[in-house]
Amino acid sequence: AQKITQTQPGMFVQEKEAVTLDCTYDTSDPSYGLFWYKQPSSGEMIFLIYQGSYDQQNATEGRYSLNFQKARKSANLVISASQLGDSAMYFCAMREDSEAGSYQLTFGKGTKLSVIP
Amino acid sequence: DTGVSQDPRHKITKRGQNVTFRCDPISEHNRLYWYRQTLGQGPEFLTYFQNEAQLEKSRLLSDRFSAERPKGSFSTLEIQRTEQGDSAMYLCASSFSTTGASAEAFFGQGTRLTVV
Repeated sequence: AQKITQTQPGMFVQEKEAVTLDCTYDTSDPSYGLFWYKQPSSGEMIFLIYQGSYDQQNATEGRYSLNFQKARKSANLVISASQLGDSAMYFCAMREDSEAGSYQLTFGKGTKLSVIP
Repeated sequence: DTGVSQDPRHKITKRGQNVTFRCDPISEHNRLYWYRQTLGQGPEFLTYFQNEAQLEKSRLLSDRFSAERPKGSFSTLEIQRTEQGDSAMYLCASSFSTTGASAEAFFGQGTRLTVV
Protein backbone atom coordinates (compact mmCIF):
# COMPACT_ATOMS: atom_id res chain seq x y z
CA ALA A 1 0.00 0.00 0.00
CA GLN A 2 1.12 3.53 -0.73
CA LYS A 3 2.30 5.30 2.37
CA ILE A 4 1.60 8.75 0.95
CA THR A 5 -1.19 9.37 -1.54
CA GLN A 6 -1.68 12.59 -3.44
CA THR A 7 -4.75 12.15 -5.63
CA GLN A 8 -4.49 15.40 -7.58
CA PRO A 9 -1.91 15.19 -10.38
CA GLY A 10 -2.63 18.81 -11.30
CA MET A 11 -4.52 21.77 -9.88
CA PHE A 12 -5.36 25.23 -11.17
CA VAL A 13 -6.09 28.25 -8.98
CA GLN A 14 -6.82 31.86 -9.73
CA GLU A 15 -4.31 34.35 -8.42
CA LYS A 16 -5.24 35.66 -4.94
CA GLU A 17 -7.57 32.71 -4.31
CA ALA A 18 -6.98 29.92 -1.78
CA VAL A 19 -6.25 26.33 -2.82
CA THR A 20 -6.16 23.01 -0.97
CA LEU A 21 -3.78 20.23 -1.97
CA ASP A 22 -4.78 16.81 -0.70
CA CYS A 23 -2.59 14.27 1.06
CA THR A 24 -3.48 11.05 2.85
CA TYR A 25 -1.01 8.81 4.59
CA ASP A 26 -0.77 5.31 5.97
CA THR A 27 1.27 4.31 8.99
CA SER A 28 0.94 2.17 12.09
CA ASP A 29 3.57 4.15 13.98
CA PRO A 30 2.11 6.35 16.72
CA SER A 31 4.87 8.91 16.26
CA TYR A 32 5.42 10.45 12.86
CA GLY A 33 5.91 13.74 11.10
CA LEU A 34 4.25 15.13 8.02
CA PHE A 35 5.92 17.59 5.67
CA TRP A 36 5.10 19.61 2.60
CA TYR A 37 7.78 20.58 0.12
CA LYS A 38 7.61 22.81 -2.95
CA GLN A 39 9.68 21.96 -6.01
CA PRO A 40 9.93 24.68 -8.67
CA SER A 41 11.23 23.87 -12.13
CA SER A 42 14.77 24.54 -10.90
CA GLY A 43 14.58 21.25 -8.99
CA GLU A 44 15.29 22.28 -5.41
CA MET A 45 12.96 20.91 -2.75
CA ILE A 46 11.86 23.82 -0.56
CA PHE A 47 10.50 23.01 2.89
CA LEU A 48 7.13 24.65 3.55
CA ILE A 49 5.53 23.27 6.69
CA TYR A 50 5.75 20.47 9.27
CA GLN A 51 3.16 18.76 11.48
CA GLY A 52 4.03 16.28 14.20
CA SER A 53 1.60 13.49 14.99
CA TYR A 54 1.25 14.63 18.59
CA ASP A 55 0.79 18.31 17.77
CA GLN A 56 -2.56 19.48 19.02
CA GLN A 57 -2.91 22.44 16.71
CA ASN A 58 -2.69 22.63 12.95
CA ALA A 59 0.63 24.02 11.74
CA THR A 60 0.75 27.40 10.03
CA GLU A 61 3.60 29.18 8.27
CA GLY A 62 2.67 32.47 6.68
CA ARG A 63 0.31 31.74 3.77
CA TYR A 64 0.63 27.99 4.31
CA SER A 65 -1.45 25.99 6.74
CA LEU A 66 -1.80 22.28 7.23
CA ASN A 67 -5.27 20.84 7.78
CA PHE A 68 -4.35 17.83 9.93
CA GLN A 69 -7.13 15.29 10.48
CA LYS A 70 -5.46 12.46 12.37
CA ALA A 71 -8.41 10.07 12.46
CA ARG A 72 -8.80 10.34 8.69
CA LYS A 73 -5.00 10.20 8.20
CA SER A 74 -5.11 13.30 6.11
CA ALA A 75 -2.72 16.26 5.99
CA ASN A 76 -3.94 18.71 3.38
CA LEU A 77 -1.95 21.83 2.52
CA VAL A 78 -3.87 25.08 2.24
CA ILE A 79 -2.26 27.97 0.40
CA SER A 80 -4.04 31.27 0.90
CA ALA A 81 -3.87 34.27 -1.43
CA SER A 82 -2.12 32.37 -4.24
CA GLN A 83 0.67 34.11 -6.09
CA LEU A 84 2.11 33.45 -9.54
CA GLY A 85 5.32 32.28 -7.85
CA ASP A 86 3.40 29.47 -6.17
CA SER A 87 3.25 27.61 -9.49
CA ALA A 88 5.32 24.46 -8.85
CA MET A 89 5.16 20.79 -7.86
CA TYR A 90 4.09 20.18 -4.29
CA PHE A 91 5.06 17.03 -2.43
CA CYS A 92 3.64 15.63 0.76
CA ALA A 93 6.06 13.48 2.78
CA MET A 94 6.03 11.43 5.96
CA ARG A 95 8.71 10.48 8.44
CA GLU A 96 8.02 7.54 10.74
CA ASP A 97 9.72 8.08 14.06
CA SER A 98 9.15 4.96 16.10
CA GLU A 99 11.87 2.81 14.60
CA ALA A 100 15.46 3.53 15.47
CA GLY A 101 16.83 4.47 12.14
CA SER A 102 17.34 7.06 9.54
CA TYR A 103 14.12 9.03 9.83
CA GLN A 104 14.00 9.05 6.07
CA LEU A 105 11.18 10.79 4.25
CA THR A 106 8.63 8.92 2.15
CA PHE A 107 7.16 11.13 -0.55
CA GLY A 108 3.94 11.13 -2.52
CA LYS A 109 3.89 11.54 -6.29
CA GLY A 110 3.18 15.22 -6.07
CA THR A 111 0.62 17.74 -7.30
CA LYS A 112 1.44 20.27 -9.98
CA LEU A 113 -0.10 23.62 -9.06
CA SER A 114 -0.62 26.25 -11.71
CA VAL A 115 -1.62 29.76 -10.66
CA ILE A 116 -3.61 31.63 -13.29
CA PRO A 117 -3.29 35.43 -13.51
CA ASP B 1 25.40 30.64 0.75
CA THR B 2 24.68 28.43 3.75
CA GLY B 3 22.35 25.96 2.06
CA VAL B 4 22.98 22.45 0.78
CA SER B 5 25.18 22.53 -2.31
CA GLN B 6 25.38 19.87 -4.99
CA ASP B 7 27.83 19.54 -7.84
CA PRO B 8 27.48 19.18 -10.77
CA ARG B 9 23.97 20.41 -11.47
CA HIS B 10 23.79 18.45 -14.71
CA LYS B 11 25.70 15.45 -15.99
CA ILE B 12 25.39 13.68 -19.34
CA THR B 13 27.30 10.44 -19.63
CA LYS B 14 27.53 7.49 -21.93
CA ARG B 15 26.20 4.14 -20.80
CA GLY B 16 28.89 2.16 -19.03
CA GLN B 17 30.81 5.16 -17.74
CA ASN B 18 31.31 5.95 -14.06
CA VAL B 19 30.01 9.17 -12.55
CA THR B 20 30.51 10.85 -9.17
CA PHE B 21 28.36 13.50 -7.53
CA ARG B 22 29.23 15.68 -4.59
CA CYS B 23 27.06 17.10 -1.81
CA ASP B 24 28.08 19.73 0.72
CA PRO B 25 25.52 19.81 3.54
CA ILE B 26 24.78 22.68 5.88
CA SER B 27 27.88 22.79 8.04
CA GLU B 28 26.41 21.98 11.44
CA HIS B 29 24.15 19.19 10.14
CA ASN B 30 25.12 15.70 11.27
CA ARG B 31 22.66 13.80 9.09
CA LEU B 32 22.95 13.50 5.33
CA TYR B 33 20.60 11.75 2.93
CA TRP B 34 20.65 10.85 -0.75
CA TYR B 35 17.39 10.53 -2.70
CA ARG B 36 16.65 9.73 -6.32
CA GLN B 37 13.78 11.29 -8.24
CA THR B 38 12.61 10.02 -11.61
CA LEU B 39 10.25 11.89 -13.91
CA GLY B 40 6.74 12.20 -12.54
CA GLN B 41 7.61 10.69 -9.17
CA GLY B 42 8.47 11.93 -5.73
CA PRO B 43 11.99 11.46 -4.37
CA GLU B 44 12.91 7.98 -3.17
CA PHE B 45 15.34 7.32 -0.33
CA LEU B 46 18.72 5.84 -1.27
CA THR B 47 21.01 6.09 1.74
CA TYR B 48 21.69 7.89 5.00
CA PHE B 49 24.75 9.01 6.96
CA GLN B 50 25.00 10.07 10.55
CA ASN B 51 28.28 11.91 10.74
CA GLU B 52 30.70 9.71 8.76
CA ALA B 53 28.85 6.43 9.29
CA GLN B 54 26.58 5.09 6.56
CA LEU B 55 23.78 3.64 8.65
CA GLU B 56 21.12 2.68 6.15
CA LYS B 57 20.87 1.79 2.48
CA SER B 58 17.74 1.29 0.40
CA ARG B 59 17.18 -1.75 -1.79
CA LEU B 60 17.29 0.78 -4.64
CA LEU B 61 21.01 1.17 -4.02
CA SER B 62 22.45 -1.58 -6.18
CA ASP B 63 26.06 -2.70 -5.88
CA ARG B 64 26.94 -0.28 -8.69
CA PHE B 65 26.21 2.57 -6.32
CA SER B 66 28.52 3.64 -3.52
CA ALA B 67 28.36 6.59 -1.18
CA GLU B 68 30.87 8.02 1.23
CA ARG B 69 31.02 10.80 3.75
CA PRO B 70 34.61 11.10 4.89
CA LYS B 71 35.10 13.08 8.09
CA GLY B 72 31.38 13.59 8.36
CA SER B 73 31.38 16.63 6.11
CA PHE B 74 30.74 16.47 2.35
CA SER B 75 29.46 13.30 0.70
CA THR B 76 30.00 11.67 -2.67
CA LEU B 77 27.71 9.32 -4.58
CA GLU B 78 29.36 7.22 -7.27
CA ILE B 79 27.57 5.19 -9.90
CA GLN B 80 29.68 2.63 -11.74
CA ARG B 81 28.87 1.23 -15.20
CA THR B 82 25.91 3.58 -15.63
CA GLU B 83 22.73 2.31 -17.27
CA GLN B 84 19.95 4.26 -18.95
CA GLY B 85 17.70 3.45 -16.01
CA ASP B 86 20.03 5.48 -13.79
CA SER B 87 18.84 8.67 -15.51
CA ALA B 88 17.22 10.71 -12.74
CA MET B 89 17.60 13.67 -10.43
CA TYR B 90 19.84 12.85 -7.46
CA LEU B 91 18.97 14.96 -4.43
CA CYS B 92 21.00 15.43 -1.28
CA ALA B 93 19.47 16.58 2.00
CA SER B 94 20.81 17.32 5.45
CA SER B 95 19.38 17.82 8.90
CA PHE B 96 20.52 18.17 12.47
CA SER B 97 19.50 16.12 15.46
CA THR B 98 21.16 15.08 18.68
CA THR B 99 18.59 12.51 19.71
CA GLY B 100 15.59 11.10 17.89
CA ALA B 101 13.95 12.69 14.89
CA SER B 102 14.61 16.23 13.90
CA ALA B 103 12.31 18.55 12.08
CA GLU B 104 12.80 19.45 8.46
CA ALA B 105 15.51 18.22 6.12
CA PHE B 106 17.02 20.82 3.80
CA PHE B 107 17.56 19.80 0.20
CA GLY B 108 20.08 20.84 -2.40
CA GLN B 109 19.17 21.70 -5.97
CA GLY B 110 20.03 18.22 -7.16
CA THR B 111 22.19 16.71 -9.87
CA ARG B 112 20.32 15.75 -13.01
CA LEU B 113 21.93 12.69 -14.61
CA THR B 114 21.23 11.70 -18.21
CA VAL B 115 22.68 8.42 -19.45
CA VAL B 116 22.79 8.17 -23.25
